[in-house]
Amino acid sequence: GDSVTQMEGPVTLSEEAFLTINCTYTATGYPSLFWYVQYPGEGLQLLLKATKADDKGSNKGFEATYRKETTSFHLEKGSVQVSDSAVYFCALGGFQKLVFGTGTRLLVSP
Amino acid sequence: KAGVTQTPRYLIKTRGQQVTLSCSPISGHRSVSWYQQTPGQGLQFLFEYFSETQRNKGNFPGRFSGRQFSNSRSEMNVSTLELGDSALYLCASSEGGSGNTIYFGEGSWLTVV
Repeated sequence: GDSVTQMEGPVTLSEEAFLTINCTYTATGYPSLFWYVQYPGEGLQLLLKATKADDKGSNKGFEATYRKETTSFHLEKGSVQVSDSAVYFCALGGFQKLVFGTGTRLLVSP
Repeated sequence: KAGVTQTPRYLIKTRGQQVTLSCSPISGHRSVSWYQQTPGQGLQFLFEYFSETQRNKGNFPGRFSGRQFSNSRSEMNVSTLELGDSALYLCASSEGGSGNTIYFGEGSWLTVV
């Protein structure tokens, strides 16, 4: 079945450092790919999405490119802030059903 | 536009009881889905409803059920609660088509004691 693999956390960075969170997937067909973020005690917020190969999703300085050849959707940000500290989930979407990775906790220190 | 609204936000139940959680989708959204989030199992899909019909179902026992009303609001029910049902239950809504973005609510925190 479909699955998503994310890098283990926590990822600990200093403010203004470069961020990469790796995500690879296994899926039949051509799913949409998503990154969601979860702040402490809250639900999931959509961060960005890509619906087809070579699409780049971007939002709030975060970017991810749908790479069909490597089945990857790595999340990047050039300069992280303390307020980016959260858990990040990579997900793939078939028809109204999301399959999530295990989540990667990001901790950014001043 | 209001987001996905879930009630109650927090609740504590006793083993063996049942619980009903409610979800109001974003206005205009006809698809509502439910997810369970636990530290051990992560985020798992429970089921999805569209126009009052269940279209998709995850691998959960029959104690977990749901329904959707004509106004797209949805409820999920868990009967004969077990300690392992303690989790954050997330409701999500979308327009219902393939590739549509799925938006999540804040969740209902259920503790079973």
